[in-house]
Amino acid sequence: ETGVTQTPRHLVMGMTNKKSLKCEQHLGHNAMYWYKQSAKKPLELMFVYSLEERVENNSVPSRFSPECPNSSHLFLHLHTLQPEDSALYLCASSQDRAVYYGYTFGSGTRLTVV
Amino acid sequence: AQTVTQSQPEMSVQEAETVTLSCTYDTSESDYYLFWYKQPPSRQMILVIRQEAYKQQNATENRFSVNFQKAAKSFSLKISDSQLGDAAMYFCAYRSDRGAQKLVFGQGTRLTINP
Repeated sequence: ETGVTQTPRHLVMGMTNKKSLKCEQHLGHNAMYWYKQSAKKPLELMFVYSLEERVENNSVPSRFSPECPNSSHLFLHLHTLQPEDSALYLCASSQDRAVYYGYTFGSGTRLTVV
Repeated sequence: AQTVTQSQPEMSVQEAETVTLSCTYDTSESDYYLFWYKQPPSRQMILVIRQEAYKQQNATENRFSVNFQKAAKSFSLKISDSQLGDAAMYFCAYRSDRGAQKLVFGQGTRLTINP
């Protein structure tokens, strides 16, 4: 257990469903991130939250909606997804300005859209 | 924008042998950090080793070491005495010491260990 917990571990959803991915960290970090990992592609940074404010949104479709209610929790709300959205979604956290330490990652949610 | 390139999609090595994974990056900055992450089948990204760009000495962590060539913008990972548990995807990553400081990843190299 690394300190970053993601739930659920696996998720299968239909294109008309609404679901949410959850990420939780108790490392005292103040920045959290969502990455998308697809087969044969580099990790794609989706969203960055720093001190609970969204500081980056990398042209992600509006069917993905992040939420950061506090510094320990990060959600990714999903609705009307497409099959190409099937991927591993990784959450990470870091201490802003503590660049030396990199990020701490969760184990990801494997999402399948049918 | 910074980019990270791993030119070897797959590598394999015999158990107990040594393997080197390549990574190059592009940046105009002088202060930054470089990382190697390992992602085993459990999917969790684990930090293997890191290097500060201002340090000339190559980082070493047990069987893992890097060859950092700042002028060439190269950051290779050497795994000595390879073990079956080293089998994983390995990602090279760059993090700036200024601005957004986000972590930028390469495409990854899948390492197979042959018994």
